[in-house]
Amino acid sequence: DAGVTQTPRHEVAEKGQTIILKCEPVSGHNDLFWYRQTKIQGLELLSYFRSKSLMEDGGAFKDRFKAEMLNSSFSTLKIQPTEPKDSAVYLCASSRQNYAEQFFGPGTRLTVL
Amino acid sequence: GEQVEQLPSILRVQEGSSASINCSYEDSASNYFPWYKQEPGENPKLIIDIRSNMERKQIQELIVLLDKKAKRFSLHITDTQPGDSAMYFCAASDMATGGNNKLTFGQGTVLSVIP
Repeated sequence: DAGVTQTPRHEVAEKGQTIILKCEPVSGHNDLFWYRQTKIQGLELLSYFRSKSLMEDGGAFKDRFKAEMLNSSFSTLKIQPTEPKDSAVYLCASSRQNYAEQFFGPGTRLTVL
Repeated sequence: GEQVEQLPSILRVQEGSSASINCSYEDSASNYFPWYKQEPGENPKLIIDIRSNMERKQIQELIVLLDKKAKRFSLHITDTQPGDSAMYFCAASDMATGGNNKLTFGQGTVLSVIP
């Protein structure tokens, strides 16, 4: 089985731009998570979907961050407009319902200038 | 919501010695405590976990202890090797059948094993 895939692996954006990150979960997994990873904050949950329904939307990230899951095998995370403080690694993870282990993708490293 | 604190943030040990990472949580409903290892340039991977019906679990050189009363859990790596050098994350969740699988992560510990 293919693991979680994320594209692009690296993204450089100017302040104020809109960027869209993409994730494909492991086939058959019902749960999908978006995280932001920084050295200071560690792993912060941005969004959580179960069977395409939004279960949780990280409160601190609501204003400029929007995750969508239009079908069970594809999700996007839009950041609009980007700010330099958004520079981080964005990780996508998936898991099966009733199974705790989350499988992480390779991440997208975002740099906002 | 749940909050997880993880210490230390940086840990350096000599090869062959033990390394210990400690985590505490706030929500007494939390019943599942996994540990993830993230090697440089790689994605986090589950290495060991413990549920609230256990106090201790061991997989080879990894030992996890859980103290529900104190709301603390810890990871101990015995006989550390250079390959153990990585970032380690603890997490907590109130897993329930049919419920959500959300994990709350600690801030992470960078472990360096010095040859």
